[in-house]
Amino acid sequence: NAGVMQNPRHLVRRRGQEARLRCSPMKGHSHVYWYRQLPEEGLKFMVYLQKENIIDESGMPKERFSAEFPKEGPSILRIQQVVRGDSAAYFCASSPRAKQGGNTEAFFGQGTRLTVV
Amino acid sequence: DAKTTQPNSMESNEEEPVHLPCNHSTISGTDYIHWYRQLPSQGPEYVIHGLTSNVNNRMASLAIAEDRKSSTLILHRATLRDAAVYYCILLTGGYNKLIFGAGTRLAVHP
Repeated sequence: NAGVMQNPRHLVRRRGQEARLRCSPMKGHSHVYWYRQLPEEGLKFMVYLQKENIIDESGMPKERFSAEFPKEGPSILRIQQVVRGDSAAYFCASSPRAKQGGNTEAFFGQGTRLTVV
Repeated sequence: DAKTTQPNSMESNEEEPVHLPCNHSTISGTDYIHWYRQLPSQGPEYVIHGLTSNVNNRMASLAIAEDRKSSTLILHRATLRDAAVYYCILLTGGYNKLIFGAGTRLAVHP
């Protein structure tokens, strides 16, 4: 059973370009989360999705960032018109349907390291 | 979200036990106590979680105080690979919205 797969592992974009980060959850997992880790800072929750639905996007910047988890295929985190401040490690996590509130572990991918030049 | 307090850093010697403390004095009755760790240049990794009773798995043990206001992650024999930042997180609700604090940076010496 493969773990959470993220690609690409490293992504370089020029200012103003678009970045598309992909995440394939573990088999059987229907919940996907995105987190961002800025250089020398902690991990910050961005968004939580289920298939075809955004459930909690309270951590997403209001502009330029969007996320989707279609019925088929991986979850995508899209950053439009990237700026240098978007340079960070972006981690995806997945979990199965919760047995009971708070009683489920999350499994993380190895992350995509975005560098904006 | 309920807050946790952890020491910024700890040190251990290889093959010795390590006790990583976490205070969560405002924990609610439905909050689960989760521990994750992040090795250098890697994604976070689930370690263990519990509600009221002590828990053991292949990686670690979790000791929860009777009043639930504190807990301790126990690594029984530290290895160099255990050098990481360890996060204690309270989680409730139906999904894994993890709020990471600064965690404890554990250094393991040979």
